[in-house]
Amino acid sequence: DAKTTQPPSMDCAEGRAANLPCNHSTISGNEYVYWYRQIHSQGPQYIIHGLKNNETNEMASLIITEDRKSSTLILPHATLRDTAVYYCIVRVKGDKLIFGTGTRLQVFP
Amino acid sequence: DVKVTQSSRYLVKRTGEKVFLECVQDMDHENMFWYRQDPGLGLRLIYFSYDVKMKEKGDIPEGYSVSREKKERFSLILESASTNQTSMYLCASRNGGQSNQPQHFGDGTRLSIL
Repeated sequence: DAKTTQPPSMDCAEGRAANLPCNHSTISGNEYVYWYRQIHSQGPQYIIHGLKNNETNEMASLIITEDRKSSTLILPHATLRDTAVYYCIVRVKGDKLIFGTGTRLQVFP
Repeated sequence: DVKVTQSSRYLVKRTGEKVFLECVQDMDHENMFWYRQDPGLGLRLIYFSYDVKMKEKGDIPEGYSVSREKKERFSLILESASTNQTSMYLCASRNGGQSNQPQHFGDGTRLSIL
């Protein structure tokens, strides 16, 4: 199973871009990268996913390196409400989502 | 927007009770999932269903069963609740048409078994 590695915590000033890295060096060719976040006491919220091209939606941008061994989630203008734990996931066979420990992002005023 | 609704945010039950956790989604999704989330253990898949009346065991099905009589509803049943089933339970659904579609989660039910 492909595994992911993320820094345990990051800080970001409100209004600045938050860049959250993820390493998935064992990813296989047909596995997608998914990003979720979880605010305390709520269920995980889907953010974005991609295979090999960069992706953008109303919440964030996803940059995947050419060799697909790492990716970066970008929140272009972080707000206090973006404070959460962010999970980078490579979906494995059988639909099982494996959430690691994630990155705890703290956005400060 | 996808809406996955879990019937209760907080629930307290007693050991030995039969407990029903309900989940409803409004996006006509084929696939539905039940996870539990515990500190230090992440999310663990209990059961999932690819269609009505279909069910598949996940990683930790012992002590649980599920029911999917209608496409929009997926119920998790604790046959005889035990204290080690105290946890946050999360339901998710997914459009089964394409394999890369993401799972969308409800807000969870925090279940305490006394």
